[in-house]
Amino acid sequence: EIVLTQSPVTLSLSPGERATLSCRASQGLSRNYLAWHQQKPGQTPRLLIYGSSIRATGIPDRFSGSGSGTDFTLTISRLEPEDFAVYYCQQYVSSPYTFGQGTKLEIK
Amino acid sequence: EVHLVESGGGLAQPGGSLRLSCAASGFIFSGCAMNWVRQAPGKGLEWVSVISGNTFDIKYADSVRGRFSISRDNSKNTLYLQMNSLRAEDSAVYYCAKKRDGSDSMGLFDSWGQGVLVTVSS
Repeated sequence: EIVLTQSPVTLSLSPGERATLSCRASQGLSRNYLAWHQQKPGQTPRLLIYGSSIRATGIPDRFSGSGSGTDFTLTISRLEPEDFAVYYCQQYVSSPYTFGQGTKLEIK
Repeated sequence: EVHLVESGGGLAQPGGSLRLSCAASGFIFSGCAMNWVRQAPGKGLEWVSVISGNTFDIKYADSVRGRFSISRDNSKNTLYLQMNSLRAEDSAVYYCAKKRDGSDSMGLFDSWGQGVLVTVSS
């Protein structure tokens, strides 16, 4: 099983600031099969990024993903009020399709 | 527009059973792998199971293998999860999730249902 470890667990920032979230895999992810999902309180998760860096349909360009192998990053260039949520990375290389434990992005 | 609607949740006793359904619309259901993902109260996301469009490929998380069974009826555009021998730790919101079109991995999902709550308690 591929284990994903996200850091930090909680990130406190203000609107307009830049957010950097990390995800480390216990083994290299072939073809960079790493996705990021956003979940707002009381809502369903939403796919943001797949293939490490490809934005899903309708995702604003302030969201960007990068990384390869075992280290991946989600960057939000300028935080909007609606961006404060929990973010999960997920690998889809092989089953079980594991998630990281999540990073909570909260308003400072 | 993709629409996924789960049903069948509720309260079950330890050792009991429940059957979840996920009604799908807005895409070609028979050609699309479907997943179940769950989230315990206040916790993170846990992938549960996946089934290919033609039902030939099925996978389970270790935590549910042998107790849960995924299936689908392509004539009804409906996905199912039969949950037997339920445990307290199976209590969660269960989401069905559609594989992203064009992905060669069944585990990349781009649309989620609203979820259904399962509570296992005596």
